[in-house]
Amino acid sequence: DTEVTQTPKHLVMGMTNKKSLKCEQHMGHRAMYWYKQKAKKPPELMFVYSYEKLSINESVPSRFSPECPNSSLLNLHLHALQPEDSALYLCASSQDWGNQPQHFGDGTRLSIL
Amino acid sequence: GESVGLHLPTLSVQEGDNSIINCAYSNSASDYFIWYKQESGKGPQFIIDIRSNMDKRQGQRVTVLLNKTVKHLSLQIAATQPGDSAVYFCAENMRAAGNKLTFGGGTRVLVKP
Repeated sequence: DTEVTQTPKHLVMGMTNKKSLKCEQHMGHRAMYWYKQKAKKPPELMFVYSYEKLSINESVPSRFSPECPNSSLLNLHLHALQPEDSALYLCASSQDWGNQPQHFGDGTRLSIL
Repeated sequence: GESVGLHLPTLSVQEGDNSIINCAYSNSASDYFIWYKQESGKGPQFIIDIRSNMDKRQGQRVTVLLNKTVKHLSLQIAATQPGDSAVYFCAENMRAAGNKLTFGGGTRVLVKP
């Protein structure tokens, strides 16, 4: 079992819906990440939070809005998504931001109708 | 293009044999490397990492080799088992380039009984 917990595991939403993905870790890690993974492709970095501050936004469209309420939680708010946004969304955490192993959750499988 | 790539997209190996998964990287300034295993329906699982000041690191049944001269990384799995069947990703990080973990394309390992 992974120590990074993501909910929900699956999400189907329409293009006009608003939903949120949640990620939680209790390892005391101070860096948290969002990745997007399309089928048969490697994960691609979206956002990095370090000490609850947004440190990297990889030119992600504004219909994806990250939030880090505290050091254990990371959210990804979704609004007006497009069908091409259907993918596996992975959360990861590491002790610090930098040359540290990142530990991944099992992701949320998102389908946009 | 991608700075990290793999030579073989699929590797079939007999159970009990050793597996070698290769990865080429293009950025000589990369200073940290990780191998991940991803099983179907799960997130990437950390296997082993290596820093650029090392050329070999061993874990349980796995060995990572780093050849900085030719910018090549490999993962050796000893006595491959059916549970080793998965997609394996190498990833590189360069602290000087913003600490963004970049994944290679992935190699699928199929273990034949």
